[in-house]
Amino acid sequence: EAGVAQSPRYKIIEKRQSVAFWCNPISGHATLYWYQQILGQGPKLLIQFQNNGVVDDSQLPKDRFSAERLKGVDSTLKIQPAKLEDSAVYLCASSLRQGRNNEQFFGPGTRLTVL
Amino acid sequence: AQSVTQLDSHVSVSEGTPVLLRCNYSSSYSPSLFWYVQHPNKGLQLLLKYTSAATLVKGINGFEAEFKKSETSFHLTKPSAHMSDAAEYFCVVSEVNSGGYQKVTFGTGTKLQVIP
Repeated sequence: EAGVAQSPRYKIIEKRQSVAFWCNPISGHATLYWYQQILGQGPKLLIQFQNNGVVDDSQLPKDRFSAERLKGVDSTLKIQPAKLEDSAVYLCASSLRQGRNNEQFFGPGTRLTVL
Repeated sequence: AQSVTQLDSHVSVSEGTPVLLRCNYSSSYSPSLFWYVQHPNKGLQLLLKYTSAATLVKGINGFEAEFKKSETSFHLTKPSAHMSDAAEYFCVVSEVNSGGYQKVTFGTGTKLQVIP
């Protein structure tokens, strides 16, 4: 079974530029998550999709971050414009369905550096 | 509201000695609890999970954790540390909220150092 795929693995941009990250979850997984992991901290949930609908985006900075999962499969997270404090690893995860017992499967992450 | 507190940001043990990584949680519902491990430059991997069955949960690589409701704890242990255990460990609480959706919260992580 193929795992969660993310690209790119690394990205360096200057502040005020735009950037986009892509995630392809495990086939058949209905739930998709984007997390931000700042160095030395635990992952913080940015947005959670169930199929192509958003179920939780309470911690997404909506003035600059956006995400979509149009066909209920792969997803894109965008930052526009980027700030220095956005430097972090962006993790994508998927799970089979909703439910407190469901394990999340994580991709390798995209390391973003904003200069 | 749910929360997770990992009591130690760094733990250092000698190879072959026991490991204890501490985690306390708070939850309004009946939660599930997980431990994930993150090796340098690797993705997060599930070690074990508690889902309201047995309170002592065994995971991969010899790790286990005990759910103690009265203490709201879910500490991770291993009898004998191996060099390959050096990594960062995250305690995670998961519950289904009133809207029917899963809410997941990660702790801040404990970095385990194993000394030869």
